[in-house]
Amino acid sequence: ELKVEQNPLFLSMQEGKNYTIYCNYSTTSDRLYWYRQDPGKSLESLFVLLSNGAVKQEGRLMASLDTKARLSTLHITAAVHDLSATYFCAVDMNSGGGADGLTFGKGTHLIIQP
Amino acid sequence: NAGVTQTPKFQVLKTGQSMTLQCAQDMNHNSMYWYRQDPGMGLRLIYYSASEGTTDKGEVPNGYNVSRLNKREFSLRLESAAPSQTSVYFCASSELGQFVGPLHFGNGTRLTVT
Repeated sequence: ELKVEQNPLFLSMQEGKNYTIYCNYSTTSDRLYWYRQDPGKSLESLFVLLSNGAVKQEGRLMASLDTKARLSTLHITAAVHDLSATYFCAVDMNSGGGADGLTFGKGTHLIIQP
Repeated sequence: NAGVTQTPKFQVLKTGQSMTLQCAQDMNHNSMYWYRQDPGMGLRLIYYSASEGTTDKGEVPNGYNVSRLNKREFSLRLESAAPSQTSVYFCASSELGQFVGPLHFGNGTRLTVT
């Protein structure tokens, strides 16, 4: 059974600081996804990581994937209040491009305070 | 530019009542999914349909049935609702192939069973 663990599950930080969210998963996969969810809203795709060593950046967010360590990170640089949200990582259970869905972590609830 | 459309947005049921959640996508995606989201649990896959004409169970299928009506539409039915089915339900779709893109989510259905 594939397990996806995020930590921390809750993070309160100040604007201007840097921090990293970690996503560990329990079985071989080279497809990992990061999503953002605002309160009461749907999930928005942030990053798609499809190979070992993949790194994607968008604004103050950078995501990376280490398939050997079964670890992905989401790094926040110089946080701003607008980045307050819940962030989910999700792993493709079938690296062959199957369509049997993604397994999600429990999410990291991020609050950025002025 | 609708993407994935879910109806209804909100629903309150009494225990034992039945209902069908509707989902339609206009992105010509092959694969569609139903997830439920509960506080502190992340998203859990209920059922999925890899392609038109096929459906499969996910992690938490008990108490639910699905129908892939055509390529666009994928419905979720609760035959006899229970309080444990109080949740937010998300429908999603994706392309199928070697390079699996992100799931595209609808806005969710907030269901309360009393």
